[in-house]
Amino acid sequence: DTEVTQTPKHLVMGMTNKKSLKCEQHMGHRAMYWYKQKAKKPPELMFVYSYEKLSINESVPSRFSPECPNSSLLNLHLHALQPEDSALYLCASSHPGLAGGPDRETQYFGPGTRLLVL
Amino acid sequence: SQQGEEDPQALSIQEGENATMNCSYKTSINNLQWYRQNSGRGLVHLILIRSNEREKHSGRLRVTLDTSKKSSSLLITASRAADTASYFCATDRNTGGFKTIFGAGTRLFVKA
Repeated sequence: DTEVTQTPKHLVMGMTNKKSLKCEQHMGHRAMYWYKQKAKKPPELMFVYSYEKLSINESVPSRFSPECPNSSLLNLHLHALQPEDSALYLCASSHPGLAGGPDRETQYFGPGTRLLVL
Repeated sequence: SQQGEEDPQALSIQEGENATMNCSYKTSINNLQWYRQNSGRGLVHLILIRSNEREKHSGRLRVTLDTSKKSSSLLITASRAADTASYFCATDRNTGGFKTIFGAGTRLFVKA
């Protein structure tokens, strides 16, 4: 299995809702990432988990709350979002860099969740 | 702030022609990667070149890296309509976790 899956594909939520985005991979990768991408812009890094621990938080507002319950799963909990948070949210994972494996810097991306906040 | 800046922002060519995209970055890097993104979907890794390498090939792709000029180029030879996509360069700095920063991207359109 060489893919990263994300659910849901599309999400519409109001500013008072609480929702979660889910990401899953079964490649044995131990680094997982959340990115936010606005239309016609590059992905912007939000969070990095390494061995299930949060290693990078790019000063993301607290209305976004990441969670890594195990090495295969990554969640992004959303609460009290703003319309400007509407974007494509991408999850990615990368290999730990063991000998004989792919480059540890190579990231494998899921198809994304397109979020619309009303 | 963005590490990589790419040019051109958009490129339209005929099928069979070569496409060249350039990327410049500001600080020292461990490596530089190129990714492709079809419209509104996830990114696909194309190629990685390390800071001590100058050129790398993968199929119809050729990547060069000039660390003295802090720039890289991606050449796609004999382009196909299926190559139509956005192409991003990405650089990594090891800051306790790999922090990948993407350039602005080049939108390539290959006409059949």
